[in-house]
Amino acid sequence: EDKVVQSPLSLVVHEGDTVTLNCSYEVTNFRSLLWYKQEKKAPTFLFMLTSSGIEKKSGRLSSILDKKELFSILNITATQTGDSAIYLCAVEAIQGAQKLVFGQGTRLTINP
Amino acid sequence: KAGVTQTPRYLIKTRGQQVTLSCSPISGHRSVSWYQQTPGQGLQFLFEYFSETQRNKGNFPGRFSGRQFSNSRSEMNVSTLELGDSALYLCASSLLTGNGETQYFGPGTRLLVL
Repeated sequence: EDKVVQSPLSLVVHEGDTVTLNCSYEVTNFRSLLWYKQEKKAPTFLFMLTSSGIEKKSGRLSSILDKKELFSILNITATQTGDSAIYLCAVEAIQGAQKLVFGQGTRLTINP
Repeated sequence: KAGVTQTPRYLIKTRGQQVTLSCSPISGHRSVSWYQQTPGQGLQFLFEYFSETQRNKGNFPGRFSGRQFSNSRSEMNVSTLELGDSALYLCASSLLTGNGETQYFGPGTRLLVL
């Protein structure tokens, strides 16, 4: 069965710190890995990764995929209180009943 | 470009009733997927529609059904509601259903079953 595991489940840091969120997966016929940020409502798209070793970057956020070791990391530098959210990792498989398989999420809290 | 819209935003029902939720995708998007989000199970895939056809289905009982119309709008129906159906139901649309598309989520419908 396809599975996505995120760690840590919860993280509390101070503003200005750098955080690294982890996502490992076991998926048959991997197509892509996506990161979402969920605040109070719907998840909002951050990154889609399909190739190993190519870093995607958007401002203070960056992410990279390792298809050999089956994991991805999401880095946030110089964190701000507005970064507080649940970060979801999802994997898309080419076949199978699941369109996107989500991890449990990492609840990130940034304290001022 | 308007985002994904879902109606209603909040709903309270009692056990045994049925409910219909609606999702309007981003203009031009033809794929609509539905997810259930609960604190215990996280986000779980329900089904996906593309061009009025169900293409993928998750592991949910037959009480959960859906359909898609020719304008890509989708509805999801849950019959004989149970307390455990209380959840945030999210709809996501994407342009294609081929390799590399990304999904954009609507604000969700929060369903409370009493």
